[in-house]
Amino acid sequence: DGGITQSPKYLFRKEGQNVTLSCEQNLNHDAMYWYRQDPGQGLRLIYYSQIVNDFQKGDIAEGYSVSREKKESFPLTVTSAQKNPTAFYLCASSSQGRLNTEAFFGQGTRLTVV
Amino acid sequence: AQSVTQLGSHVSVSEGALVLLRCNYSSSVPPYLFWYVQYPNQGLQLLLKYTSAATLVKGINGFEAEFKKSETSFHLTKPSAHMSDAAEYFCAVRPFGNEKLTFGTGTRLTIIP
Repeated sequence: DGGITQSPKYLFRKEGQNVTLSCEQNLNHDAMYWYRQDPGQGLRLIYYSQIVNDFQKGDIAEGYSVSREKKESFPLTVTSAQKNPTAFYLCASSSQGRLNTEAFFGQGTRLTVV
Repeated sequence: AQSVTQLGSHVSVSEGALVLLRCNYSSSVPPYLFWYVQYPNQGLQLLLKYTSAATLVKGINGFEAEFKKSETSFHLTKPSAHMSDAAEYFCAVRPFGNEKLTFGTGTRLTIIP
C-alpha cells in the first residue's frame, strides 16, 4: 500500500540532545513537508521541499534542520537550539499536478523532552 | 502571504443538527483550498478540496464546502451531525504554482447527544 511512514511514533529526548525524525513516502510525490502541532496553534510549517536536494524554510524553522537526498525521504532533525521541542510532528507529501494537489499525512511522531 | 483564519476554536452542535465550520482565506488570487479532519493522536485526512473546477465541493462523510470569492470564504457544512464527526477540523490554503501549504489553527467539533 502507498503511503507515508513516520518513525518512531513516540520519542523521548534529553535536553541538549539532537534527535532525528524519519519520514518516508512511496507515493512518488515531489513535495514533502514537516509540520509542528501544539494545542490551540494548529499546524505550523517547519520546512518543505519541492524537489530533491532543495528545501525551503517554513514559518518556524529555527532550531530544526532537514535534508532531501532522496525523493522518498525527508528526515527532520530537532537540534539542541530548539528551546521548546516537545510537540506532535507531522510529515506530509503531495504531487505537483494541478488536480491532485492535496497533501497526504503520516501518523505523526510525538516528541517529549525529559 | 497566503493565510487562513478559522473562526471559533471550539464548536458544539447537537446530534442531527447542522454543522458549520468557518474558514476565510487571504489571497489576491483564488488559491487551492482544503479541509482536513484529525482524530486524536493521528495524522490528517482529507475531507475535500477546491481546485477551481466547481465552487460547491462535496467530500467524504457527507461534508461539503462552498467557495465564495466575494467573501474569501470556504466554509464547511454538514446537514446532520453524527457522533462520529467529533474531531478537529483544519482549513488549509496553497497558492497556485507554489507548494507551500498553510493551515489554520483548527476547530474542535463536539457533538452533543
